[in-house]
Amino acid sequence: GAGVSQTPSNKVTEKGKYVELRCDPISGHTALYWYRQSLGQGPEFLIYFQGTGAADDSGLPNDRFFAVRPEGSVSTLKIQRTERGDSAVYLCASSLMLAGGTGELFFGEGSRLTVL
Amino acid sequence: GENVEQHPSTLSVQEGDSAVIKCTYSDSASNYFPWYKQELGKGPQLIIDIRSNVGEKKDQRIAVTLNKTAKHFSLHITETQPEDSAVYFCAASRGDYKLSFGAGTTVTVRA
Repeated sequence: GAGVSQTPSNKVTEKGKYVELRCDPISGHTALYWYRQSLGQGPEFLIYFQGTGAADDSGLPNDRFFAVRPEGSVSTLKIQRTERGDSAVYLCASSLMLAGGTGELFFGEGSRLTVL
Repeated sequence: GENVEQHPSTLSVQEGDSAVIKCTYSDSASNYFPWYKQELGKGPQLIIDIRSNVGEKKDQRIAVTLNKTAKHFSLHITETQPEDSAVYFCAASRGDYKLSFGAGTTVTVRA
């Protein structure tokens, strides 16, 4: 597709359940990012991938959160034992790598997670 | 870590007037300052950015200014139009990817 694609667009789950959120970046973009946006707030950084490896996962809130990008394209954010406080919009972004740094971040429309 | 504060939280302007949003940041090592526009149900979209070696940048009706000494930067939108209504976020980072965002400004342009 032309842009960053995220699925599902909406996910409602019960406290304690496991959730997977998928991101399909723009073709050719080697850098991929996950951010989390709570209601009325700006996005918060979670993790950054360069290719297949997590170059910076310092934003993951705790060990219930994990993300993979096994082939350097699609990424999955995995949340174990969900809690009500995990409810938010999870945004994925991708970018090219340019000389001197990353290029413009292109965001997807997000996956809205609601934990009941 | 970086802390970005953004003001005002809401802004209502008459069509054709200017809108100004201001942000301050805490990390003196931050060197990249983008602005994003987010429409309802959409992801943020980059509208303009500035790096620390530049004091001002313009792109048609949009301009950004940066004062590194005071650690603040501002977005200026001139000749506002109804399609400018959205939530605007400022952000700051060392490098490009680990952005720290402000809380956002909801801009409403009255026709």
